[in-house]
Amino acid sequence: GEDVEQSLFLSVREGDSSVINCTYTDSSSTYLYWYKQEPGAGLQLLTYIFSNMDMKQDQRLTVLLNKKDKHLSLRIADTQTGDSAIYFCAEKYGGSQGNLIFGKGTKLSVKP
Amino acid sequence: DTAVSQTPKYLVTQMGNDKSIKCEQNLGHDTMYWYKQDSKKFLKIMFSYNNKELIINETVPNRFSPKSPDKAHLNLHINSLELGDSAVYFCASSQETSGNTYEQYFGPGTRLTVT
Repeated sequence: GEDVEQSLFLSVREGDSSVINCTYTDSSSTYLYWYKQEPGAGLQLLTYIFSNMDMKQDQRLTVLLNKKDKHLSLRIADTQTGDSAIYFCAEKYGGSQGNLIFGKGTKLSVKP
Repeated sequence: DTAVSQTPKYLVTQMGNDKSIKCEQNLGHDTMYWYKQDSKKFLKIMFSYNNKELIINETVPNRFSPKSPDKAHLNLHINSLELGDSAVYFCASSQETSGNTYEQYFGPGTRLTVT
């Protein structure tokens, strides 16, 4: 079935760039999303990318999509301690009535 | 102006009890969801409702039942609670019509602890 894979942990130093990677299996995915979950909070939508795009930039965030390899990445420039959170990749499958499949989340730790 | 709200935020109860978690969205979305997040932070969809019809029901025990009194509400009822039901439950909503970007908006979560 459909699956979304992420590495579980990433540790970076404040000011460095963070790159969180994700792979997915459904080639018919239309949208892919990145969500952020801070401790004790719900999931917050960070950004999304449509499947016919290769890249999307939004301030410190850059999303890269390699549709051939089914690989999605989220780059956070100038990572701050406030970026410490769990980041979830999600793909939409099944068309307009389809569901989101979430990865297991990558815990980003930012060290001062 | 909370977009997706859930009550209660914390729920502590004993095994065997029946409990409900409420969810409301004021975004005018047509689809609502319930997710379970376990202690390892893995997120798993339980239900989704579109126009009062259940369209996805993963392998969830029938002790769990979603109830939607109207398009803005999707409540989760749990009967005969078990220890393994302890988790954080998230409600979400989205607009599932063509031309949208289908992103889901999440509530703050309800931490359920079964003792």
